[in-house]
Amino acid sequence: QVQLVESGGGVVQPGRSLRLSCRASGFSFSNYSMHWVRQAPGKGLEWVAVVSYDGSNKYYRDSVKGRFTISRDNSKNTLYLQMNSLRAEDTAVYYCARDPNVASYGYDYFDSWGQGTLVSVSS
Amino acid sequence: DIQMTQSPSTLSASVGDRVTITCRASQSISSWLAWYQQKPGKAPKVLIYKASNLEHGVPSRFSGSGSGTDFTLTISSLQPDDFATYYCQQYHTYWTFGQGTKVEIK
Repeated sequence: QVQLVESGGGVVQPGRSLRLSCRASGFSFSNYSMHWVRQAPGKGLEWVAVVSYDGSNKYYRDSVKGRFTISRDNSKNTLYLQMNSLRAEDTAVYYCARDPNVASYGYDYFDSWGQGTLVSVSS
Repeated sequence: DIQMTQSPSTLSASVGDRVTITCRASQSISSWLAWYQQKPGKAPKVLIYKASNLEHGVPSRFSGSGSGTDFTLTISSLQPDDFATYYCQQYHTYWTFGQGTKVEIK
């Protein structure tokens, strides 16, 4: 079955960097676009970034553009989120999530989610 | 950016009640809308996609309707496992979630 396992979260000071990973199993990772979604404590869901199945297309929400970089290594079945210049408002649980369509560049919902990893930005 | 507004923010209901949650988009999104259920400390789970399509394995008491800007999620007979927070999501242009509706025990 589809399994997504995030790691790399932790406590970090403002202005520092962190890299999140999402290890995928149970499906052909290289065929699916992947997303990062975050949820601040006690708040709602917020889409962060997407990378297409082949890594050729990447999109970000405005508040993270220029600071966050989404990438993937299809040989390792792993999705990444490099987060630089972190701010207090980046504090959240970060989820990776999968697009349901094979080899698609389009918009769609998220059919599978990981359990999340907590990032806390604090001095 | 497309904004999604859910109502109500909180809903108190009893087991067996029919429950309806609404979601409004700031511009037409056709039927590009999904509904998710999230329980405390857990990842969201998709219930409905393309406004009215039930995800595989989701109980038939859940249904979705609407198109354009106005959408509803209905639970026909609320079960104990359904007390959770529900989010709508548009995927017409990028991805945006509503602020959530918490369904709590009355």
